[in-house]
Amino acid sequence: SQTIHQWPATLVQPVGSPLSLECTVEGTSNPNLYWYRQAAGRGLQLLFYSVGIGQISSEVPQNLSASRPQDRQFILSSKKLLLSDSGFYLCAWSVGRRDTEAFFGQGTRLTVV
Amino acid sequence: SQQGEEDPQALSIQEGENATMNCSYKTSINNLQWYRQNSGRGLVHLILIRSNEREKHSGRLRVTLDTSKKSSSLLITASRAADTASYFCATTGGANSKLTFGKGITLSVRP
Repeated sequence: SQTIHQWPATLVQPVGSPLSLECTVEGTSNPNLYWYRQAAGRGLQLLFYSVGIGQISSEVPQNLSASRPQDRQFILSSKKLLLSDSGFYLCAWSVGRRDTEAFFGQGTRLTVV
Repeated sequence: SQQGEEDPQALSIQEGENATMNCSYKTSINNLQWYRQNSGRGLVHLILIRSNEREKHSGRLRVTLDTSKKSSSLLITASRAADTASYFCATTGGANSKLTFGKGITLSVRP
């Protein structure tokens, strides 16, 4: 069966520090991968979307970047965090067909102080 | 940008009542999906309805889709306190399966 791992669950980082959040998927190959951010009490904002290794679509101009070094690994990074980067970050995957559901990780609560 | 807009933003009902949540979207879609999120957790997929379908059922869930009005509704029948959560609609459209979410509805079911 397929599983998705996202870590860490919580993270407190000072302003200006770097960030690296990792997401890995098991049990499937060539998944579509997503990074979303959810501000407190708000909906999900799609940050990055990937259909294959090295193929990253950025949805929102921002202080963040994403990479997909391996087929089932998706990394969200920042060189220098801002206060506004605080939020709940969710990784998700779906099969590379149109009419399929997405499976979410448990999320990372990032607080930038 | 967000494709779906759910309404109401918050809904409070008594256990046993039905809960109806609505979603409107702006552009043509391949499918519309509903997800549930318990506080501080990841999202869980509930149901998917394709653009050529009008109604779908899954247990106590009933979803309708009206592509002429670009809207969908999620009905939860005989609600339970455990149904308390946030509910999101999401759509895919065009040639890819990129999933775009609305802002969500907070459902509270009072025991």
